Order: sequence, then structure tokens, then C-alpha cells
Amino acid sequence: AQTVTQSQPEMSVQEAETVTLSCTYDTSENNYYLFWYKQPPSRQMILVIRQEAYKQQNATENRFSVNFQKAAKSFSLKISDSQLGDTAMYFCAFMNKETSGSRLTFGEGTQLTVNP
Amino acid sequence: GAVVSQHPSWVICKSGTSVKIECRSLDFQATTMFWYRQFPKQSLMLMATSNEGSKATYEQGVEKDKFLINHASLTLSTLTVTSAHPEDSSFYICSANGLGLAGAPSYEQYFGPGTRLTVT
Repeated sequence: AQTVTQSQPEMSVQEAETVTLSCTYDTSENNYYLFWYKQPPSRQMILVIRQEAYKQQNATENRFSVNFQKAAKSFSLKISDSQLGDTAMYFCAFMNKETSGSRLTFGEGTQLTVNP
Repeated sequence: GAVVSQHPSWVICKSGTSVKIECRSLDFQATTMFWYRQFPKQSLMLMATSNEGSKATYEQGVEKDKFLINHASLTLSTLTVTSAHPEDSSFYICSANGLGLAGAPSYEQYFGPGTRLTVT
């Protein structure tokens, strides 16, 4: 079974600064996807960024980028130029490409607060 | 595109009654839908996977007779909490697999806005 661990329950950052959220996972599979989701106070889950394990290049989406270290099973999220609207709960998630039928395994979450 | 709705957004029911939550994919067909439960400040816990036209697959520890899931069409799945008790109070979220959405990765999940259930 896969597990996803987020070791930072809470983090804070000043507006316009950069913050990195950590995520590690455990799997014996080779073919999988990794995701970061954002859940703002509205509680709507929003996909921030995705990474396919077979791709070595780190995914980027505007101010959001990941540092994917497959050997270390690490998948951190970097948010640049933090904005107040980035305040949210962030979940790292794993999906086994072959067998899970799109089943997501979530980490415990990191509550990020962006301070003005 | 890829909008998933849930109804109701908030429901209060009395202990012992049943309540139904609907999850709809509005602009695509979803062969697979997922139901999650989330307690305050905690992660999403997968309750069951629902495939159109077949029985749902429940996660270990989830009572299938208490949480009835029906996926009768490619755009609608329902979760019925039977004989609700205060401990069933939670936030319930559904998601739909985007296999039927043109141009989208087949593995992509699209989430509904959630339903807050309060059992008194």
C-alpha cells in the first residue's frame, strides 16, 4: 500500500516571499502520478500541479513548481511570490497509474498562511 | 468544462433519519466517481469508489449498509447516509474521473464543492 507523508502541519510565509511544502511517499510501483491540491476556506479542492513519475523534468505552473526526487520519493511544492489568496490547506496526493483505477491517496495536509 | 456539483451543500438532519447527497458531473460523463469524508482540519478519507452500473467498492472500515452508494447513470452518483447519528456529522466530498472529458488526462479527478452534514 502507498503512503503519503506531509511532515509540516502548519507553515506561514510573508506575502511576496517563497515557501516550500514537503511531501514524501512510499511505493513499490514505478508508474504513478503525484499531485498537489489546494483547499481554501471554501473547502473546494483545486488541483495546483501534477507530475508524472516517468518524466524527469519538474512540473511548473506559473508561481508553482515542484522538486520531484524519484529515488528519494520526495515531491515538494515551491510557491514563489506568495499571495494572500494562497492561504489554504495543501494536500500532496499519489495515484498508481496501473492498478489504482484513479484512486488517490492523500497526505495529512499542510495549512499554509500567507501574512500581509 | 469539468464541473462537478453536489447537492445539497449543507444539510441538517435528526438522528435516526436518512439523508441523500447527490454528485453530478455537469458537462462530461464520469464512469467512476469517488466519495470522501473529511473531518475538520484533517485529510480526505476515501470511503468508496463508484462505477456506473455496478456495485460500489468500499474501503476497509466503511459500513456499506450505512453508506449506500448508487451510480445509476454516467452523470450521477448518490450517497445515502442511513440511520444517521451525530458521529456521522462530517464534510462529504465527491469527485469524478475525467475519462469522458475530451482533452483531459484519463486519470484526472474533478472535485465537487462538498456537502456539510450535521446530525442533531
